[in-house]
Amino acid sequence: GAVVSQHPSWVICKSGTSVKIECRSLDFQATTMFWYRQFPKQSLMLMATSNEGSKATYEQGVEKDKFLINHASLTLSTLTVTSAHPEDSSFYICSARTSGSIDTQYFGPGTRLTVL
Amino acid sequence: KQEVTQIPAALSVPEGENLVLNCSFTDSAIYNLQWFRQDPGKGLTSLLLIQSSQREQTSGRLNASLDKSSGRSTLYIAASQPGDSATYLCAVSSGTYKYIFGTGTRLKVLA
Repeated sequence: GAVVSQHPSWVICKSGTSVKIECRSLDFQATTMFWYRQFPKQSLMLMATSNEGSKATYEQGVEKDKFLINHASLTLSTLTVTSAHPEDSSFYICSARTSGSIDTQYFGPGTRLTVL
Repeated sequence: KQEVTQIPAALSVPEGENLVLNCSFTDSAIYNLQWFRQDPGKGLTSLLLIQSSQREQTSGRLNASLDKSSGRSTLYIAASQPGDSATYLCAVSSGTYKYIFGTGTRLKVLA
């Protein structure tokens, strides 16, 4: 089946620094990728939709200047958490949409971000 | 606005029991519904994907049904095992392809 990878799998950073998370579709091209975040013991919440070659679409309440999304190629989307604060500590998961015979999404393994 | 709810929130059963997890959604105009498993601190494992035109999907001991008109899906796990212990999430996708996730059911199967 299709594989989506994320890098890094976990990261610890100091408050005020920026962190970049990569999401790659390894064996298929993804025109659309999605970014989710999950707080402890809560479900996944969609943050933004990332379309290759265009600006991301953010969900209500998500600060686009804080969570920068770039989808520069059909296999890579990046999420940069700028000026991270402890409240940004969360589990970030991406998914990549494939538009084959069955239109579905494949999810990455997630990145755990801890901001000290 | 689509809302997805899962009942029960937590479930603890002895090994060997058959069990049913429920998922309900408010907007029946969905593209597909997917059940996932999530182990603590880990990502998602897709279990079953049901297209809107389908009524059910089966994989091994798992069976998922979909009643789109009533906004419900159930995940049936037969002969549960301790290794089935995890959080189970259902998610629905609309025409925009975004997934809206349910609140999850934390399952513990006791040996």
